[in-house]
Amino acid sequence: EVQLVESGGGRVQPGGSLRLSCAASGFTFSSPWMHWVRQTPGKGLVWVAAIWSDGSSTMYADSVKGRFTISRDNAKNTLYLQMNSLRVEDTAVYYCVRDLTHWGAFDYWGQGTLVTVSS
Amino acid sequence: EVVLTQSPGTLSLSPGDGATLSCRASQRVSSVNLAWYQQKPGQAPRLLIYGSSNRATGIPDRFSGSASGTDFTLTISRLEPEDFAVYYCQQYGISSYSFGQGTKLEIK
Repeated sequence: EVQLVESGGGRVQPGGSLRLSCAASGFTFSSPWMHWVRQTPGKGLVWVAAIWSDGSSTMYADSVKGRFTISRDNAKNTLYLQMNSLRVEDTAVYYCVRDLTHWGAFDYWGQGTLVTVSS
Repeated sequence: EVVLTQSPGTLSLSPGDGATLSCRASQRVSSVNLAWYQQKPGQAPRLLIYGSSNRATGIPDRFSGSASGTDFTLTISRLEPEDFAVYYCQQYGISSYSFGQGTKLEIK
């Protein structure tokens, strides 16, 4: 059974940093691309970042480029999101998501971890 | 960036009815890269349709998808009580992904 379990969310002040982790199991983690997607009540679902299967390439939404870094450790079956210079508007539930290869869709989602940026 | 506009915002129907949800793209989107998701309160989204018309694993055949130019449609025939939820379309373009704002399917 495919499982994606996020951790690392919490409350942080504006300008602060947080590192999210996603532990994957039930599939060959080194094969698919992986993503982070976030969701806020007001703005719905927003794609944040993607990383290729071997970690050699990454993509970011313009809103987080230069502040967030996606990475993966295929030996540990773990996906990461390092979030720096956090803003109030980064407040959201962050989902770890598996890519459905060749289709640009997301076939498995974690349960999400809440990040709250507030003073 | 491709903007996806979903309509209607809210759809009120009864179990047993058929539902038609629309998603319009602001520019050309490959039909290969259009997906639909269902989200229930307190849960993560679930993939329903990928490649505009392919059902994901375990999705019942009352869910179907189609494409015509920049217009994409999710059709649900014979609504079941568990189908009342929020539905999102999503596309993959050049180094970017985007979602529609969602359609809430509620019980009339």
